[in-house]
Amino acid sequence: QVQLQESGPGLVKPSQTLSLTCTVSGGSISSGGYYWSWIRQHPGKGLEWIGYIYYSGSTYYNPSLKSRVTISVDTSKNQFSLKLSSVTAADTAVYYCARFIVLMKGFDYWGQGTLVTVSS
Amino acid sequence: EIVLTQSPATLSLSPGERATLSCRASQSVSSYLAWYQQKPGQAPRLLIYDASNRATGIPARFSGSGSGTDFTLTISSLEPEDFAVYYCQQRSNWPRFGPGTKVDIK
Repeated sequence: QVQLQESGPGLVKPSQTLSLTCTVSGGSISSGGYYWSWIRQHPGKGLEWIGYIYYSGSTYYNPSLKSRVTISVDTSKNQFSLKLSSVTAADTAVYYCARFIVLMKGFDYWGQGTLVTVSS
Repeated sequence: EIVLTQSPATLSLSPGERATLSCRASQSVSSYLAWYQQKPGQAPRLLIYDASNRATGIPARFSGSGSGTDFTLTISSLEPEDFAVYYCQQRSNWPRFGPGTKVDIK
């Protein structure tokens, strides 16, 4: 059973960089056919895809966030990471990591989510 | 960019009733549409992929249909655990979610 777990600071100051890591267990991040993803959900709102990465390092980002987002992968640790720069209060959200399965074109495994608050 | 709209925003039903949720795309997404269920405080759960295929472990009371721009998620007989928010998602260019339909208890 694949499991994903987000980790990182729950509080980030405005203008700083939000950094989160997702640790994958129960399966290898280097397996083909999956994109490793970040999705966020503003309080009481819907879901917003941030971007994803293939194990080879190829990345794809939401155009609305592309200028501020970097997603990277560390296959040796079975982890992938998110960096979101120049954050504002509008970036306060629950951040999920998830596995996108190409065959299904959907997100089949999700982390539990972590709330990140942007505040001074 | 392809935009998804969902209707109704809220659906108030009783256990045992049939739920019909709609998702419409601003242009064709072929059959590349998925449905998710999200309960409060939980991550979304994949229910349906490619418009009509149930994901692993999803009960048969959940079914999906449609293609092109119009899609439907049907819950044949609502169980108490089915009251939740449901999202559709397309991946024709990049993944995008609809705004959600809340199914609550009447």
